[in-house]
Amino acid sequence: AQRVTQPEKLLSVFKGAPVELKCNYSYSGSPELFWYVQYSRQRLQLLLRHISRESIKGFTADLNKGETSFHLKKPFAQEEDSAMYYCALKTGANNLFFGTGTRLTVIP
Amino acid sequence: GAVVSQHPSRVICKSGTSVKIECRSLDFQATTMFWYRQFPKQSLMLMATSNEGSKATYEQGVEKDKFLINHASLTLSTLTVTSAHPEDSSFYICSAPAGGMGNTIYFGEGSWLTVV
Repeated sequence: AQRVTQPEKLLSVFKGAPVELKCNYSYSGSPELFWYVQYSRQRLQLLLRHISRESIKGFTADLNKGETSFHLKKPFAQEEDSAMYYCALKTGANNLFFGTGTRLTVIP
Repeated sequence: GAVVSQHPSRVICKSGTSVKIECRSLDFQATTMFWYRQFPKQSLMLMATSNEGSKATYEQGVEKDKFLINHASLTLSTLTVTSAHPEDSSFYICSAPAGGMGNTIYFGEGSWLTVV
């Protein structure tokens, strides 16, 4: 069965500091992983996906199949990055399975 | 970009009554939509996959007779919570992939259900 684990429920960093939100997954098939972000009082929105190998809002995430991880990183956190971040695993049927989320707070 | 809209955003109903939540894809067609449930400070849990023109696929542990899903058109899926009880109070979110398999999944703004 698939599983997505985000070990940190809360993460606080100072503005300008590096940030890493951890995500580990378990899936027997070929994984397709995403990071979704939910800003205060807004809907979930896609931040990035591993297949695109893109950098969005300064965030990057690399899929490490050996460690079954997809950690989200940003070298210099900004106040506007404060939000709830969800790591998600997509199965072949377009289903998304979410981790429990990490609430990031960037301290001014 | 693609938009998924839910209605109502908030609803309060009496215990024992039924309540319907709509999920619409506003500028694209969705043969598949997904319904999630989110308890406070917890993650989204997939409840069911709504399939246009056929029966919904429910996740293990989700009562299909309690959570009725209808996907009558390519732009509308509805979730009806029947004989609601206070423990059904939750945040319900739908999503839909734009463009079919392998494409971006967009989320609705969610619907808060409170059963009193």
